Amino acid sequence: GIQVEQSPPDLILQEGANSTLRCNFSDSVNNLQWFHQNPWGQLINLFYIPSGTKQNGRLSATTVATERYSLLYISSSQTTDSGVYFCAVSFLGGGADGLTFGKGTHLIIQP
Amino acid sequence: NAGVTQTPKFQVLKTGQSMTLQCAQDMNHEYMSWYRQDPGMGLRLIHYSVGAGITDQGEVPNGYNVSRSTTEDFPLRLLSAAPSQTSVYFCASSWREETYEQYFGPGTRLTVT
Repeated sequence: GIQVEQSPPDLILQEGANSTLRCNFSDSVNNLQWFHQNPWGQLINLFYIPSGTKQNGRLSATTVATERYSLLYISSSQTTDSGVYFCAVSFLGGGADGLTFGKGTHLIIQP
Repeated sequence: NAGVTQTPKFQVLKTGQSMTLQCAQDMNHEYMSWYRQDPGMGLRLIHYSVGAGITDQGEVPNGYNVSRSTTEDFPLRLLSAAPSQTSVYFCASSWREETYEQYFGPGTRLTVT
């Protein structure tokens, strides 16, 4: 099956800092999504981005499908950005075959 | 819309007991799936469904059964609980066109003693 590797595994930053999270995947995919799991365990979809670049406020993501990686950028970090960020992929475009998740990047934003 | 709902939120079982985790969505999504999350791990796919009457196995299906009799509901059954099934279980759903984003329920924390 598809392998997903995320880096770094842990990241501690001060409020206001910028960060880049990376996701590498082992095979061609037609579905890539980024999720944030908050400290209460809720998973929130941030981006559906199988290719290209998207931005939503302080967050943006870029996927280079031909090179099999995706990047999530967080600018001007706030304490509410703390949590675990997951990258997940699937072969089928609609995600009909379910998602394969990486192990996540645990982000801590200190005030 | 309530989105994706899961019941119960917490459950403790003894080894060998059976139970059903409930999942429902009111967004008319065709795709639904179950994942488990263990400490330090990402989520792993248990079973998934592309529509009523159609299910398939994911990465870790052993010990679990599913059925999909309606578009809205996708229950997960533990046939004979084992301590290795202690985990947090998430249900998710998505639409088959346009946006594809997966929406997750709040999770069920299951402990098997």
